[in-house]
Amino acid sequence: DTGVSQDPRHKITKRGQNVTFRCDPISEHNRLYWYRQTLGQGPEFLTYFQNEAQLEKSRLLSDRFSAERPKGSFSTLEIQRTEQGDSAMYLCASSPPGRPLHFGNGTRLTVT
Amino acid sequence: GENVEQHPSTLSVQEGDSAVIKCTYSDSASNYFPWYKQELGKGPQLIIDIRSNVGEKKDQRIAVTLNKTAKHFSLHITETQPEDSAVYFCAASDTGGTSYGKLTFGQGTILTVHP
Repeated sequence: DTGVSQDPRHKITKRGQNVTFRCDPISEHNRLYWYRQTLGQGPEFLTYFQNEAQLEKSRLLSDRFSAERPKGSFSTLEIQRTEQGDSAMYLCASSPPGRPLHFGNGTRLTVT
Repeated sequence: GENVEQHPSTLSVQEGDSAVIKCTYSDSASNYFPWYKQELGKGPQLIIDIRSNVGEKKDQRIAVTLNKTAKHFSLHITETQPEDSAVYFCAASDTGGTSYGKLTFGQGTILTVHP
């Protein structure tokens, strides 16, 4: 069990730029989740995949956000035209069906 | 939607004392309640979870209790150690349908254990 891997760990970008984050789940986990965590708050659900199918998206996921999991393995989260309010920790988690979530260490995004 | 309230926001104890963190939830359909520990610069790590068909669960120094009628659940840590210092989050979820991993988290409790 190598754990959930997220890349990069930190990203600093200027407002208006696009950014993409990658998540590699634990290999046998078919469910993959994205959460966002702002300073001093608990994580908030963004979206979730079962294999390659995106099954649910939060209202928090505006049109500028898109997530993919093309082959049911790794996933990417892209934010277009970043805004300062997008600054947060973006957490990825994975799980087998009906089992607890395992979180990665996140990607911290700073939009200047 | 679900709303989870967590108290206290900060908790300071002496090594060896017990610590209790409490959460309330609003959605009676919620039936899965995990607790996560988050250390600085890391993602949340599951420490214990409980399902609604169980009132209490214990794992060494950690225990969780659930009162479905009152819609609240609590984390109990006994014989605290300095390495227990971290931010603790409770969460709730309705595991029906496809929503298993859609957790609603509390605001977190910063636990500090003084040697």
